[in-house]
Amino acid sequence: DVKVTQSSRYLVKRTGEKVFLECVQDMDHENMFWYRQDPGLGLRLIYFSYDVKMKEKGDIPEGYSVSREKKERFSLILESASTNQTSMYLCASSAGGGTYEQYFGPGTRLTVT
Amino acid sequence: GNSVTQMEGPVTLSEEAFLTINCTYTATGYPSLFWYVQYPGEGLQLLLKATKADDKGSNKGFEATYRKETTSFHLEKGSVQVSDSAVYFCALSDRGQGFSFIFGKGTRLLVKP
Repeated sequence: DVKVTQSSRYLVKRTGEKVFLECVQDMDHENMFWYRQDPGLGLRLIYFSYDVKMKEKGDIPEGYSVSREKKERFSLILESASTNQTSMYLCASSAGGGTYEQYFGPGTRLTVT
Repeated sequence: GNSVTQMEGPVTLSEEAFLTINCTYTATGYPSLFWYVQYPGEGLQLLLKATKADDKGSNKGFEATYRKETTSFHLEKGSVQVSDSAVYFCALSDRGQGFSFIFGKGTRLLVKP
């Protein structure tokens, strides 16, 4: 079974802090994704990566950056956390585009106070 | 651009009732279609998928048929259980649009004993 793990289930940070969310997948997938999930808005894509050191902006990249130094690990960075970044963050991976499904981690619920 | 529209919830049913959750899509290419389920406090899990017109995806008693003529992928189950209570997401992946998925906003299902 594909396993996608995220470093924390719950996280509380203060405004202005730098926040790192880590995601690791164990199936040698090429593609990895970061979404945020908010009530009434569904899932929105922040960034994705289709190869090591490669990244593409999604629909809402402002205030976020990412890093992919190794194939299995994809990090989401909030350079200076703000209260409007309080959300559920979901990481996913897939073997390719098109017919390939995405596999999701359990999510990190981030609260910025 | 591509989009997915799901019926708004919540949907409340009694145990053993028939379930339909409507999903329609707009896509410029030849999308693959997916249903994901999210149980409380967890990430999304793939429920079923269909990769071409007239394909039927099925899993755990759930079914959905890829209807190109009506651009629909409705989720059905003949007899729901309390354990089916969750949020259901319809999604599409279009090869012509790279690796990203487009998700609907989700439909919450509540099954009462």
